[in-house]
Order: sequence, then structure tokens, then C-alpha cells
Amino acid sequence: AQSVAQPEDQVNVAEGNPLTVKCTYSVSGNPYLFWYVQYPNRGLQFLLKYITGDNLVKGSYGFEAEFNKSQTSFHLKKPSALVSDSALYFCAVRGGNDYKLSFGAGTTVTVRA
Amino acid sequence: EADIYQTPRYLVIGTGKKITLECSQTMGHDKMYWYQQDPGMELHLIHYSYGVNSTEKGDLSSESTVSRIRTEHFPLTLESARPSHTSQYLCASSVFAGGGDEQFFGPGTRLTVL
Repeated sequence: AQSVAQPEDQVNVAEGNPLTVKCTYSVSGNPYLFWYVQYPNRGLQFLLKYITGDNLVKGSYGFEAEFNKSQTSFHLKKPSALVSDSALYFCAVRGGNDYKLSFGAGTTVTVRA
Repeated sequence: EADIYQTPRYLVIGTGKKITLECSQTMGHDKMYWYQQDPGMELHLIHYSYGVNSTEKGDLSSESTVSRIRTEHFPLTLESARPSHTSQYLCASSVFAGGGDEQFFGPGTRLTVL
């Protein structure tokens, strides 16, 4: 069975400071990892994904994520957060031949001005 | 413009009514999904489809049913709505790409059953 853990329900940062949202996963075989963002009353928007290759993945809106196989982690990062980054962030994993995505519980990010 | 659409966006109905939530995508994706999400909470997969005439139940048991008669259309039906069905329903689609394909989500339908 595959699973995702987002250990922090909430992350609060000041605008301009670095932002990190943590994610760890459990999967059989090689993982496919994804980050999505959800704004209020909206669907999910795809941010970035890791399939293979370079462990540092760059995505939309200045976000990046680092795949760490030994720690089974895929933390989302942004060097300088904006107030508009305030949203709900989901990490997701798919392993092997399973076509279903498993989502984490989500982390609410609040960036204060 | 390639996109994924859901209608209605908001629906308030009484107990016992039959409802159908519509989902259409113009991207030609083979795979489509329905998720249930309580506000601010995690997503639970309730149905998915690999293509026309293919439907499977997801991880979360649901009293809803789905059909996939056309590639672009994946409606979800509740025969008799109950207050426990109150939730947000998200439709998604993806192209077959060996597992590394991201899912594209619609805006969701927020259902309230009185």
C-alpha cells in the first residue's frame, strides 16, 4: 500500500521568508511524486512532479521540491514567500503500476504581510 | 481551450432527491477520477475510469455511481441524496503516460443535502 504523510497541519511564515512544506511517503518500487495547491473554493492546481532524474524539481510560481530517496521525502520549498502563496498544499504519490494517486492530508500555508 | 469542467458549482437539495454531477474534459484524456473532499481536508478517491465503458470503485466507499459512455464525459449520480453526502466533489483527468502523468482537476461541485 502507498501512503503520504504531511506532518504539519499549518505553516506560518512572513512574506519574503523561505517557505518549506514537508512530505514523506511510503510506496513499493519507484515513486512518482506530485505537489498540488488548492485555493479556497477551487479545484487543485498542479505545481510540480518528480518522475526520475535530477532530485531538485522546479515548478510553477517559483516553487521547487527536493526528492530524497534515503529519507523518503519530497519537501516543497520557495525561497521567498508571497502573501498570495497562502493556500492549502497537497503532496501525492503513485507507486509502480498503481494508477491511483494517494494524497496527504494537506498543509495550510499562511503568509503574513 | 483544453480544460475540465464541472457543473453545477454549487447545489443545495433536499433529502431523497436524485442528482447528477457533471464532469467534462476537452483534453482527450483516457483516465478520469472522482474525489470527495470535506472542506480543507484530504481527498478521497471514490470512482475512476481508464477509458470508455471502464469504471472502478475507489478507496472510499460511496453510494454514488458513475458512467463513461464517452471519453470526455464522466458523470456521477446519487440516486437518493442524504445529508451525509454533503461534501465537495472534485473531478480530475489524466493522460496515460506510464505513471508519471499529473492529474488535472475541475473546479469542484459543493453539494449540500438538507
